[in-house]
Amino acid sequence: QKEVEQDPGPLSVPEGAIVSLNCTYSNSAFQYFMWYRQYSRKGPELLMYTYSSGNKEDGRFTAQVDKSSKYISLFIRDSQPSDSATYLCAMSNTGKLIFGQGTTLQVKP
Amino acid sequence: DTGVSQDPRHKITKRGQNVTFRCDPISEHNRLYWYRQTLGQGPEFLTYFQNEAQLEKSRLLSDRFSAERPKGSFSTLEIQRTEQGDSAMYLCASRVGPKGPYNEQFFGPGTRLTVL
Repeated sequence: QKEVEQDPGPLSVPEGAIVSLNCTYSNSAFQYFMWYRQYSRKGPELLMYTYSSGNKEDGRFTAQVDKSSKYISLFIRDSQPSDSATYLCAMSNTGKLIFGQGTTLQVKP
Repeated sequence: DTGVSQDPRHKITKRGQNVTFRCDPISEHNRLYWYRQTLGQGPEFLTYFQNEAQLEKSRLLSDRFSAERPKGSFSTLEIQRTEQGDSAMYLCASRVGPKGPYNEQFFGPGTRLTVL
């Protein structure tokens, strides 16, 4: 079993929809939780990070961490076609990142 | 461009050949990471450096793989006797560290390796 599990999708939504992306993990030592966005044939870029449990909001994006359930989420409000990409959750406690498989999102105009 | 750069961006080689990739981190970032990403998967950690010291290696890094960061600036990743299973995107990331609770890892564009 992988340390971080993420549904690969693909996920297809209409423009303006609310998108929910999720990951579960098994290592209770993880303290830092990140969401990266990766466009085709590009390197990942950081969207948001959260330390320990709680919520964090940045514009249309909200990240949630529930350490008791070992579950993290990313919500995208008012999704746009430019949000079409692969979304990777990542976790860390020592510096190296442990990634989920990535969820491919397509937002249709 | 002040981001992480990688060279080459693409490499096609025949099985059994040796290949070397280069990563130039963001200036003053003393931590440098290498990851490997296969199609449809998330990146997997290979190794990292704190300045010129290689501090951790994944079990994914077989004897055919070697990484260096001789002067604590750029890094190279060499794969000897390449196999078709080595075909992947090789990503480099850098960050400031270890001071502070968290420091973002900035990724380069990757080197896509195809082994025929």
